[in-house]
Amino acid sequence: DVKVTQSSRYLVKRTGEKVFLECVQDMDHENMFWYRQDPGLGLRLIYFSYDVKMKEKGDIPEGYSVSREKKERFSLILESASTNQTSMYLCASSFTGTGRHGYTFGSGTRLTVV
Amino acid sequence: GQNIDQPTEMTATEGAIVQINCTYQTSGFNGLFWYQQHAGEAPTFLSYNVLDGLEEKGRFSSFLSRSKGYSYLLLKELQMKDSASYLCAVRGNSGYALNFGKGTSLLVTP
Repeated sequence: DVKVTQSSRYLVKRTGEKVFLECVQDMDHENMFWYRQDPGLGLRLIYFSYDVKMKEKGDIPEGYSVSREKKERFSLILESASTNQTSMYLCASSFTGTGRHGYTFGSGTRLTVV
Repeated sequence: GQNIDQPTEMTATEGAIVQINCTYQTSGFNGLFWYQQHAGEAPTFLSYNVLDGLEEKGRFSSFLSRSKGYSYLLLKELQMKDSASYLCAVRGNSGYALNFGKGTSLLVTP
């Protein structure tokens, strides 16, 4: 069964901490994405990557960075966590182009910053 | 940019039919997707439309009109387990990222 795996299901961090969220996919997908999901705001794109070492800013990149050193792994980094970054974080992956299946999502990481 | 609108909430009765609408305004279009998301879980793929018309898959159907920037998801013979959030998403010309609407929370009542 193909999978996108996020390293943590629940995470509690303190304000100012550096936080790493890890995502691994086993489908040889070129593209990987990080979204956050908040009530009333839906899914918002933070960053995506279309190839190893490549990254593109999404709609809300401020306060975040990413790393993609290997094709299967895409990391989201909160440089200095703040309470407004408390959210559900979803990783997804896909092939490039006109694939009809769009994304495969991970199970999500619910991050609380206190 | 892209603007995607769908109703916030809907309620329907078990066994009935419900239609969830989605309108979009995009600078490019390369497909429209519907996802289902149960509370606390990841979204799962339901349907994909890139050409005008109706795509049917069991109890679920999805329709697209590109000239009107409009899609709907039709759920027939509603079951309690269909209570979930339904997300409309549009892929632009880049072929990469999807832009999502805010989702429609559907409650199925007995």
